[in-house]
Amino acid sequence: QITLTQQAESLWVSPGEKVSITCRASQSLLYTDGKHYLSWYQQRPGQTTKALIYHASIRTDGVPTRFIGSGSGTEFTLSIEDVQPEDIALYYCLQTLKKPWTFGGGTKLELK
Amino acid sequence: EVKLLESGGGLVQPGGSMRLSCAASGFTFTDFYMNWIRQPAGKAPEWLGFIRNKANGYTTEYNPSVKGRFTISRDNTQNMLYLQMNTLRAEDTATYYCARKGRSGDYFDYWGQGVMVTVSS
Repeated sequence: QITLTQQAESLWVSPGEKVSITCRASQSLLYTDGKHYLSWYQQRPGQTTKALIYHASIRTDGVPTRFIGSGSGTEFTLSIEDVQPEDIALYYCLQTLKKPWTFGGGTKLELK
Repeated sequence: EVKLLESGGGLVQPGGSMRLSCAASGFTFTDFYMNWIRQPAGKAPEWLGFIRNKANGYTTEYNPSVKGRFTISRDNTQNMLYLQMNTLRAEDTATYYCARKGRSGDYFDYWGQGVMVTVSS
């Protein structure tokens, strides 16, 4: 199965800063249709899990433009520009290229 | 508004069975693949499997980690999704989520709030 590694278990950030969360796959997530099958999710206590990005770089409906997905092949990044207090959460990447679909280990964004 | 509401969790003894339900509303249920995902406390989520939509014959796929013990089904007349779990083990203890697969890509566009399952004697 494909392994996703989120190297940073925790990242500390101050409001207004930019932060990048990385996700590395054990093999390329590029399919023959030219799309990368990598998505990003946000988990906040008391809220349902929220999809932020799919196909590596497409924001889902209603997600603020400060959330930016990038990357290709095996290396992907979720960047959050101008971090807001409500962005303090757990973030997971997910690959849906090959079954079983697998998640990264998660990165917790914390306030400095 | 899309809503997914899980129910049926609780405490079960090792070796026992449990059925989880997920009530879906706010969308045409038969148009979408539906998934089950679980997450042990403090750990990453794990995809368990999905059931396809009407156009794809409502067939199922499972994570090998639960294949043969867990069964996903749906009642399209009631807009309900189910997860039948048999021969439960302590390591099945987790919060279980239902999630809808996005129309425009292979990702989970809506999740339920989750239901806890504890396997313990």
